[in-house]
Amino acid sequence: KNEVEQSPQNLTAQEGEFITINCSYSVGISALHWLQQHPGGGIVSLFMLSSGKKKHGRLIATINIQEKHSSLHITASHPRDSAVYICAGGRFNTDKLIFGTGTRLQVFP
Amino acid sequence: NAGVTQTPKFQVLKTGQSMTLQCAQDMNHNSMYWYRQDPGMGLRLIYYSASEGTTDKGEVPNGYNVSRLNKREFPLRLLSAAPSQTSVYFCASRPDQGQREKLFFGSGTQLSVL
Repeated sequence: KNEVEQSPQNLTAQEGEFITINCSYSVGISALHWLQQHPGGGIVSLFMLSSGKKKHGRLIATINIQEKHSSLHITASHPRDSAVYICAGGRFNTDKLIFGTGTRLQVFP
Repeated sequence: NAGVTQTPKFQVLKTGQSMTLQCAQDMNHNSMYWYRQDPGMGLRLIYYSASEGTTDKGEVPNGYNVSRLNKREFPLRLLSAAPSQTSVYFCASRPDQGQREKLFFGSGTQLSVL
């Protein structure tokens, strides 16, 4: 069993739909990262959370430390949101991250 | 400001050949990483460097070597390429303070070992 698991693995949506991607982890972490990998392969950081909720534009990330669970929401999805979304847990007292396998999102017009 | 520059973008090797993947960042970051990405698996850490002159093994270091001779560069060397090293490789760096929440990635190297 992976220490960081994401669901679903694949997700398709119509433009405008509300999207939720889930991330659960089984190890203690100091922070949870969300990353976006574009179809061309480039990876960019979206959020780092250690508690509560963060929002950037149409993206919202939440984390529940007690339940060891984080969600990434996309409001009013758009085809340009099509990408692989990756969560990663940061171990305590180290800079090393444990990555989930990613959720492939396709948004159709 | 180029960020993290990684070269080459594509490489084909024969089994047994050696090569070096280059990585350089111009953001004055201390922390640098090498990851590999394989289908169906999350990014896995090969090697990590917390600062100039220090390196640390990650999850999958076998068959690789690194050096951190200066703050800017963190090359990854494949000692004797094997088909199991066919993968996409990413170099990354992270600030020490300020935008600590951000990892900055290179554009990746797609490596095929025949």
